[in-house]
Amino acid sequence: SQKIEQNSEALNIQEGKTATLTCNYTNYSPAYLQWYRQDPGRGPVFLLLIRENEKEKRKERLKVTFDTTLKQSLFHITASQPADSATYLCALPTTGGFKTIFGAGTRLFVKA
Amino acid sequence: SQTIHQWPATLVQPVGSPLSLECTVEGTSNPNLYWYRQAAGRGLQLLFYSVGIGQISSEVPQNLSASRPQDRQFILSSKKLLLSDSGFYLCAWSSTGTNTGELFFGEGSRLTVL
Repeated sequence: SQKIEQNSEALNIQEGKTATLTCNYTNYSPAYLQWYRQDPGRGPVFLLLIRENEKEKRKERLKVTFDTTLKQSLFHITASQPADSATYLCALPTTGGFKTIFGAGTRLFVKA
Repeated sequence: SQTIHQWPATLVQPVGSPLSLECTVEGTSNPNLYWYRQAAGRGLQLLFYSVGIGQISSEVPQNLSASRPQDRQFILSSKKLLLSDSGFYLCAWSSTGTNTGELFFGEGSRLTVL
């Protein structure tokens, strides 16, 4: 079955550094991959989408890469700020596209 | 602009009691609608999705049901709650007009079954 894996351990970094989060998937080839941000007690918020034919996508301080050979996406936050502290979720469409499955998320803490 | 409303935000229910969570979307037509559940410290589990009025697909066998009585209304129900039904329930919508499925979530309903 389709499976998404994200590092379950929290990531602690210093303000100003680049945070890198990893998403690995198995058993299928999605047409795109999404990243969401979730704050405690809130619903996830869509951040970025990258398609299978795109190697890299940027939005302000965010950068996402998508390696369909490795079946991996990397999510980078440059010049991180304490306000970036949240859980970041990787998401993929299932075959047919109506459904989206999520990884468990990686908790990011940015220290001032 | 589109908005999604979900209520109640918090509820505490005894085992065996019924449940009704409601979600409405405004500013769009014929959205795809979803119910997810998130257990503490866990990822999102897709429970139900709907591509149209009266069309419900269930992802996992469980003690819950969903209904879509109107185009932009999605309801999650249970006749008798179990302890294992506790969790954070999230309603979401996506546009049928795109092929990239970005999901827009409500603020969530935290259910505690005692």
